[in-house]
Amino acid sequence: SYVLTQPPSVSVGPGQTARIPCGGVNTGGDSVFWYQQKPGQAPALVMSYDSDRPSGIPERFSGSSSGSTATLTISGVEAGDEADYYCQVWDSTTDQVVFGGGTQLTVL
Amino acid sequence: QVHLVESGGGVVRPGGSLRLSCAASGLNFRPSGIHWVRQAPGQGLEWLAFIMSNGRDYFLSESAKGRFSISRDFSRDTVYLQMTSVRPEDTATYYCATDLEGGTSGPSGADVWGQGSVVTVSS
Repeated sequence: SYVLTQPPSVSVGPGQTARIPCGGVNTGGDSVFWYQQKPGQAPALVMSYDSDRPSGIPERFSGSSSGSTATLTISGVEAGDEADYYCQVWDSTTDQVVFGGGTQLTVL
Repeated sequence: QVHLVESGGGVVRPGGSLRLSCAASGLNFRPSGIHWVRQAPGQGLEWLAFIMSNGRDYFLSESAKGRFSISRDFSRDTVYLQMTSVRPEDTATYYCATDLEGGTSGPSGADVWGQGSVVTVSS
């Protein structure tokens, strides 16, 4: 079955670049979606189809994929970006939506 | 903008049943594919179910099969998650969310999310 692997935590200083990887992706065939979840709030979509930024999401957020890893990159990290980030795919071979375990982004 | 509101959560005893509702509203709303996702306290997101915009086709996670079911009532713009034989490990916040592609060709990403409904399974 599909397993998406994310590091439990990533820490960066303000203004730096945060890269959050999501391993185990069939980058040649499956689209990756990314969600941001702040404490006490519902998740929010921040990246779709690997690298499409939904309306309202700052240009500082970008997505990419290479090999078996998708990456969410946040440039010029701000304190307000501190949140949990989850990757997600639709596995059409098993008809299952799969989430990664989530990465807690800490802004130092 | 579509707005989703979950309801029906609460405290339920192990072995009991519960039906969660996801009511949709908003300007230019049209039936969309709807996901149910849950999050146990302090844990990550777990996808449970998806129903397509036609209301006939649906998908369930392996953990949901056999105990949970999903359905929709077009007249009420509402999607339901029926939970049976609940267990303490079903304790979680349950979210519904619209599908980014509209739900005509299978699940994709989850676009608009509700604020969640809390389910506690305890005797």
